[in-house]
Amino acid sequence: KNQVEQSPQSLIILEGKNCTLQCNYTVSPFSNLRWYKQDTGRGPVSLTIMTFSENTKSNGRYTATLDADTKQSSLHITASQLSDSASYICVVSAGYGNNRLAFGKGNQVVVIP
Amino acid sequence: DAGVIQSPRHEVTEMGQEVTLRCKPISGHDYLFWYRQTMMRGLELLIYFNNNVPIDDSGMPEDRFSAKMPNASFSTLKIQPSEPRDSAVYFCASSPGTSGQETQYFGPGTRLLVL
Repeated sequence: KNQVEQSPQSLIILEGKNCTLQCNYTVSPFSNLRWYKQDTGRGPVSLTIMTFSENTKSNGRYTATLDADTKQSSLHITASQLSDSASYICVVSAGYGNNRLAFGKGNQVVVIP
Repeated sequence: DAGVIQSPRHEVTEMGQEVTLRCKPISGHDYLFWYRQTMMRGLELLIYFNNNVPIDDSGMPEDRFSAKMPNASFSTLKIQPSEPRDSAVYFCASSPGTSGQETQYFGPGTRLLVL
């Protein structure tokens, strides 16, 4: 079973609307959680990085939340734009360093006009 | 800075052939990572280097895969012999550190198809 589960797998939303993506993890011990945006045919781009003590972090219209007690994170997209169409990947780091990373399979978001 | 540079961008080869993927990290970054991405498995970390030294290669699938970093500005990932199941997008990424707060910067990827 994957240690990082993302939902919904895919989502279609109207331009201008908000949406929320979910990431549940079982990774332990927890170090940090990252959200990446990956456009089709491109490499992932980091949106946010949160450690255990952080509950929320924003990057423009993207706001990530973290509940380390329930091991849940969400990524909220406000006032979606066509350029938000992408895959959003949740990555959880267990312990120090990058050698213990657990990757979600991504939320595929399509924004339509 | 041009970002992480990978070459080639696309590679089509026949089963059994040797494949070499190349990466130039961002100047000044001490860490370099190789990832593989497929629809079925998502992103997987294959190996990472710190100051040109391989730190963890536990993600390398088997002996057919090898990676080198002869200097701070160049790394290769080699598959010999290649198999159809190696078909994937291979990403290289670099970062200035791994304390948990540093961002990893990904290259555009090499899309590999093994026939």
